[in-house]
Amino acid sequence: DAGVTQSPTHLIKTRGQQVTLRCSPKSGHDTVSWYQQALGQGPQFIFQYYEEEERQRGNFPDRFSGHQFPNYSSELNVNALWLGDSALYLCASSSRSRENYGYTFGSGTRLTVV
Amino acid sequence: GENVEQHPSTLSVQEGDSAVIKCTYSDSASNYFPWYKQELGKGPQLIIDIRSNVGEKKDQRIAVTLNKTAKHFSLHITETQPEDSAVYFCAASRTGGFKTIFGAGTRLFVKA
Repeated sequence: DAGVTQSPTHLIKTRGQQVTLRCSPKSGHDTVSWYQQALGQGPQFIFQYYEEEERQRGNFPDRFSGHQFPNYSSELNVNALWLGDSALYLCASSSRSRENYGYTFGSGTRLTVV
Repeated sequence: GENVEQHPSTLSVQEGDSAVIKCTYSDSASNYFPWYKQELGKGPQLIIDIRSNVGEKKDQRIAVTLNKTAKHFSLHITETQPEDSAVYFCAASRTGGFKTIFGAGTRLFVKA
């Protein structure tokens, strides 16, 4: 049973560029949450998708946007990249319909902005 | 806003000793408290969780306690082993699909 799959694993971008990160949730999960983890810190909540809609959002600017597809997979888009956007981006899936709220995380995408 | 504080930030123990990590949360509506272990190069992994209708939960060498009145919860690892070395995160949320707020993490070193 595949867990959460994220792609790509590493990415280097230039300031001002745009990036798209992808996530396939664990089989049976319907909810995808995205987190940003800076080095040495805890994951910070970006937003959560359920039934193809953004349900909650953390304190991140509109440059961060996302999408969820009918097969529950999700994308995170970041526009106008800053140096401060360099971090590990984690995708976490869970099952709201089954009331299973513990996350299964992917291994993350390491984004470096230069 | 919601906040989860975690202590200590670093913890070093001798193999076989116990380790305790403590957290406090600010949102009194929180009712779900998971703990995650993150190893180098990997995403966090859920190791145990507790809901607000119980005060303690055990799973082999790991136990969690919850004091809702004080808004405190703790992770206890007994008989630590070198493979327990990792970063541990506490977290808090409300059931029903609300966001999960994480603590800043505790780096645990278990010396052989």
